[in-house]
Amino acid sequence: DAGVIQSPRHEVTEMGQEVTLRCKPISGHNSLFWYRQTMMRGLELLIYFNNNVPIDDSGMPEDRFSAKMPNASFSTLKIQPSEPRDSAVYFCASSPFWGPSGANVLTFGAGSRLTVL
Amino acid sequence: GQQLNQSPQSMFIQEGEDVSMNCTSSSIFNTWLWYKQDPGEGPVLLIALYKAGELTSNGRLTAQFGITRKDSFLNISASIPSDVGIYFCAGFRPNAGGTSYGKLTFGQGTILTVHP
Repeated sequence: DAGVIQSPRHEVTEMGQEVTLRCKPISGHNSLFWYRQTMMRGLELLIYFNNNVPIDDSGMPEDRFSAKMPNASFSTLKIQPSEPRDSAVYFCASSPFWGPSGANVLTFGAGSRLTVL
Repeated sequence: GQQLNQSPQSMFIQEGEDVSMNCTSSSIFNTWLWYKQDPGEGPVLLIALYKAGELTSNGRLTAQFGITRKDSFLNISASIPSDVGIYFCAGFRPNAGGTSYGKLTFGQGTILTVHP
């Protein structure tokens, strides 16, 4: 099992540029999560999907952020236009469970470190 | 929103010492998870707790789900240098409306440093 795969691992871009982060969840997992980690705010949930459908995007900071999951094996998080305050590590995680009787144990990818100059 | 207060924020210990950290909340959680994050990597699950009062071990790690369902602790016995990292507690509960089950809330993390 290759685990959750994220790309790129590192991205340095200039303010105003579009950034696209990619995630491949573990095969068979039907829930996918995007988190952002910063020193100041810790791990913040941005959005999560169940069976490719966005369930809760209340954590998305603003309209510059968007996420899609066109199929069960791929998701993207896009920032357009990017700003220096978007600099953070972005994690994708997936889980096999969904619902009140299951424990939503998340497996995380290695993260994408974004620096916006 | 739901807040998890994790303490201590950081610990500096000698190899061989035991470590204890805890997580508290004003809200009830149905599941408690403990993760460890190494530099440059994502958090990795250490222990999952599903029932109030549950005590679970994973090697030198022991975690408990508090009886009130509002707290959890993690103990590490006989620490070794590779225990260095950031430890996160995380809690899971459905939304009040019962329609959303995915929100896992994380504590702020405990930074552990182990001196050889």
